[in-house]
Amino acid sequence: NAGVTQTPKFQVLKTGQSMTLQCAQDMNHEYMSWYRQDPGMGLRLIHYSVGAGITDQGEVPNGYNVSRSTTEDFPLRLLSAAPSQTSVYFCASRAFPGALSSPLHFGNGTRLTVT
Amino acid sequence: AQTVTQSQPEMSVQEAETVTLSCTYDTSESDYYLFWYKQPPSRQMILVIRQEAYKQQNATENRFSVNFQKAAKSFSLKISDSQLGDAAMYFCAYCNSGGYQKVTFGTGTKLQVIP
Repeated sequence: NAGVTQTPKFQVLKTGQSMTLQCAQDMNHEYMSWYRQDPGMGLRLIHYSVGAGITDQGEVPNGYNVSRSTTEDFPLRLLSAAPSQTSVYFCASRAFPGALSSPLHFGNGTRLTVT
Repeated sequence: AQTVTQSQPEMSVQEAETVTLSCTYDTSESDYYLFWYKQPPSRQMILVIRQEAYKQQNATENRFSVNFQKAAKSFSLKISDSQLGDAAMYFCAYCNSGGYQKVTFGTGTKLQVIP
């Protein structure tokens, strides 16, 4: 079982460039989410989705776009990268709707540097 | 919105000793779930333990246990017989029962284990 797969693992962008971080899961989870991790800030929710066609903003959505066309995939798009978006990005999924006890399953993260 | 606070940015413990990591949260809900995740240097996020708000009995997983004080909105993690492999970032997380059951994380505590 692959679980949650994120690509790429590392990426360097120049300011103003665009890119898409890929996330796929094979657990049939309806809930998928993107977090960014910065030193001293913990994990902050960017966007999340509870099924195909349903997305919503988290606490730090500015500069990021998402869409959900299938249950398996939840890509995160940076339209015009800025140095403030330098971070480690995690995709995570969980069963939904379901027991609150269902934990998040995480990908291995993407380290993004914007110069 | 729920908030999760981890007031100890860094902690250290001697190998084989016991350490307690603190976590407090703010919520108006009566039903929710709490989690502790571990993030070793590999960057992988690993579920350590979880606790349902309606259960009075504190959760235990081998050397890991929690002290859940619902009225005080406190959820501390105790690690007994600390091992070198316990060195990691530890994140406290809250999952709300309403809406889309978003998961909110604290800022993390970096645990160092001294041989």
